[in-house]
Amino acid sequence: DVKVTQSSRYLVKRTGEKVFLECVQDMDHENMFWYRQDPGLGLRLIYFSYDVKMKEKGDIPEGYSVSREKKERFSLILESASTNQTSMYLCASSWTVSNQPQHFGDGTRLSIL
Amino acid sequence: GQQVMQIPQYQHVQEGEDFTTYCNSSTTLSNIQWYKQRPGGHPVFLIQLVKSGEVKKQKRLTFQFGEAKKNSSLHITATQTTDVGTYFCAGYGAGSYQLTFGKGTKLSVIP
Repeated sequence: DVKVTQSSRYLVKRTGEKVFLECVQDMDHENMFWYRQDPGLGLRLIYFSYDVKMKEKGDIPEGYSVSREKKERFSLILESASTNQTSMYLCASSWTVSNQPQHFGDGTRLSIL
Repeated sequence: GQQVMQIPQYQHVQEGEDFTTYCNSSTTLSNIQWYKQRPGGHPVFLIQLVKSGEVKKQKRLTFQFGEAKKNSSLHITATQTTDVGTYFCAGYGAGSYQLTFGKGTKLSVIP
């Protein structure tokens, strides 16, 4: 069974801090994704990666960056955290870019104070 | 860009009643996927539809993909308390690398 593991279930940080959210998958998937989920807004794609060191912007990349140095690991970075980045962050992975289901981690609930 | 609209946003039903959620895309989709997110959980893949007019069933759940590949529906017959959660549709546009999610329909089942 596919396992997508996010480093933290809950995280509290302060405004202006640099925040790292880590995601690891164990199925050798080529593609990995970062979403944020907010009430009433559904899932919005921040960034995705289709290969090591490759990345593509999603719908809401502003204020975020990503890193994929190894195939199994995809990191989301908040360069300077702000209160409007308080949210649930979900990582997902899949075999190919399209026509394959995405497998999600349990999510990180991030609070920026 | 591509938009996927999903209605209703919320649905409260008595246990045993049927439930339907509808999904409409602003553009033609190459395929559509459905996910379920239980309260406190993460989205879990249910099914994918690829062909125009396709209908698939999973026990009490029936999924349809429209003839024009721009809309889809999920129908649950005789809801149970285990059906509680938020149901999302998500679609890939033709030639697109991005899966666009609807905002979801949150289903509550009153025992």
